[in-house]
Amino acid sequence: EVQLVQSGAEVKKPGESLKISCKGSGYSFTSYWIGWVRQMPGKGLEWMGIIYPGDSDTRYSPSFQGQVTISADKSISTAYLQWSSLKASDTAMYYCARRDGDYVTFQHWGQGTLVTVSS
Amino acid sequence: QSALTQPASVSGSPGQSITISCTGTSSDVGGYNYVSWYQQHPGKAPKLMIYEVSNRPSGVPDRFSGSKSGNTASLTISGLQAEDEADYYCSSYTSSSTQVVFGGGTKLTVL
Repeated sequence: EVQLVQSGAEVKKPGESLKISCKGSGYSFTSYWIGWVRQMPGKGLEWMGIIYPGDSDTRYSPSFQGQVTISADKSISTAYLQWSSLKASDTAMYYCARRDGDYVTFQHWGQGTLVTVSS
Repeated sequence: QSALTQPASVSGSPGQSITISCTGTSSDVGGYNYVSWYQQHPGKAPKLMIYEVSNRPSGVPDRFSGSKSGNTASLTISGLQAEDEADYYCSSYTSSSTQVVFGGGTKLTVL
């Protein structure tokens, strides 16, 4: 069974750094792109970027380029999303998802990681 | 502002049919057959309902169907059921560097 398990909820202060994770299991982790999606409270889905764990090829949405870093450690089948300096506006639910097929087919999703940034 | 335009809300009674539209441009919806639809219940992760405009993943009821005409894609749900009440998002490939764009989402209410 394909599973994406994300790390737990985080509460941080503005200016702090953070790295959240998404661990894949039940499939060849290096063979599928993993994307990240933001959902701010009460709002819609926003595309952040995507990584191919096989060679770490990474693409970012222009809206998130320079604001976050997407990475992966194929030795432990885990993708990451990290911030060097959080802002209150980063408060959101973050989902990872496996690309299955074409560019926008994501059949397997993580359960989401809630990030709260507040002073 | 989302790249793809969806109605904010739609509603229907049990057993009825509804259609949710998703309007883009020739650089996304109109230019490629890479349109997906996702269902999201409150507090849950999105669920893929339609991919490549009109294909249903295994396990998705055939009450859900997708289509496209020009720059507008559509999701139709026939025989509405109470459990269909959720938010629905379209997504398309785009030729811009972002590659993926979502619609703003549509809240479906089953009356």
